[in-house]
Amino acid sequence: GAVVSQHPSRVICKSGTSVKIECRSLDFQATTMFWYRQFPKQSLMLMATSNEGSKATYEQGVEKDKFLINHASLTLSTLTVTSAHPEDSSFYICSAPGTKRPYNEQFFGPGTRLTVL
Amino acid sequence: RKEVEQDPGPFNVPEGATVAFNCTYSNSASQSFFWYRQDCRKEPKLLMSVYSSGNEDGRFTAQLNRASQYISLLIRDSKLSDSATYLCVVNRGNFNKFYFGSGTKLNVKP
Repeated sequence: GAVVSQHPSRVICKSGTSVKIECRSLDFQATTMFWYRQFPKQSLMLMATSNEGSKATYEQGVEKDKFLINHASLTLSTLTVTSAHPEDSSFYICSAPGTKRPYNEQFFGPGTRLTVL
Repeated sequence: RKEVEQDPGPFNVPEGATVAFNCTYSNSASQSFFWYRQDCRKEPKLLMSVYSSGNEDGRFTAQLNRASQYISLLIRDSKLSDSATYLCVVNRGNFNKFYFGSGTKLNVKP
């Protein structure tokens, strides 16, 4: 199956700093990628849809100025958490849709665990 | 109302037991349905898609009832390795957005 990687897998930072998370599709091209956030014992919540070559679309309630998304190539999307605060501590996961029928399977990255002190 | 609702569990069952999970979704326009498995602190992995006619994959059987907007997963002959959180996932088809249930935790005990 398709492989999606994320980097870093874990990051600890001080409050007020910015953190960049990379999501790469390793063996396929992804014009669309998705970013999710998961708090402990809660479901994955879709944050935004990353579109190659155009602006990301954000879900209701997600601050676009706080969570900057850049999808500069067909294999890379980045999520930057700006001025991170402890409440941003969470598990961030990206995904990309597959390129084979039935075209609706999502392949997930291994996730990035962010801890803001 | 949540897009996808699941019983959070946990379901604690002995090895060899049969266990069933249920899920309801709120949007009748939903087009694709899946069960994903998520192990602690890991990313979700696709367990199986769910088709209207029902489908089976080894010990796992999934059912979809569009009229009731209800999805189920049956696990037979539970193994210790089945212990995980099972996520009900719905896709409305628009740009492949996935909506996740909160997950049902399964603990299979020896």
